[in-house]
Amino acid sequence: DTGVSQDPRHKITKRGQNVTFRCDPISEHNRLYWYRQTLGQGPEFLTYFQNEAQLEKSRLLSDRFSAERPKGSFSTLEIQRTEQGDSAMYLCASRAAGTPLSNEQFFGPGTRLTVL
Amino acid sequence: AQRVTQPEKLLSVFKGAPVELKCNYSYSGSPELFWYVQYSRQRLQLLLRHISRESIKGFTADLNKGETSFHLKKPFAQEEDSAMYYCALSGGWFGNEKLTFGTGTRLTIIP
Repeated sequence: DTGVSQDPRHKITKRGQNVTFRCDPISEHNRLYWYRQTLGQGPEFLTYFQNEAQLEKSRLLSDRFSAERPKGSFSTLEIQRTEQGDSAMYLCASRAAGTPLSNEQFFGPGTRLTVL
Repeated sequence: AQRVTQPEKLLSVFKGAPVELKCNYSYSGSPELFWYVQYSRQRLQLLLRHISRESIKGFTADLNKGETSFHLKKPFAQEEDSAMYYCALSGGWFGNEKLTFGTGTRLTIIP
């Protein structure tokens, strides 16, 4: 385990289709985050988990988006009825709980979604 | 609301010249500030954070609470410093977990 991994790395889909992305965090990191990055912008927070509990969701996360982390390890992000505006890089990050000095979030390579 | 502003989208500096990437923030409590860097074809990675007061790869950043700034500096730029740099903020140990990022500055070092 050398870092956060995400699958797939690229996804092209047609408008209206559902897509699901997977994130595998660093082992024993109990906190997992999802961000979205569009062209020319920095990453924007979507949601985060502590173990299997989803503790916060951004207003960016419409009801078409759902995220899960059923066993407190890997997480999935599903987008239903995709729209062209969903085209973006979806980033996953993880970190260990603890003191502020361990507050570093480690990022995955991202999944680039293109909605045609 | 928490906000991070990076006023420069692009910055070009000659090799050996000083570098300063600007970052200003808005947050009502005591934030944690970070600089993340993304080199070409690599993932986003932490460069430094204000709480550890480190110098990483010759870069330093000082948190100025009066000016709500966290500018990134390096006295002598190197070609390998060319990358995308993001300033980010979180609510700290007792605050909000999420990172709020600026829009980023693309730094290009001219040989």
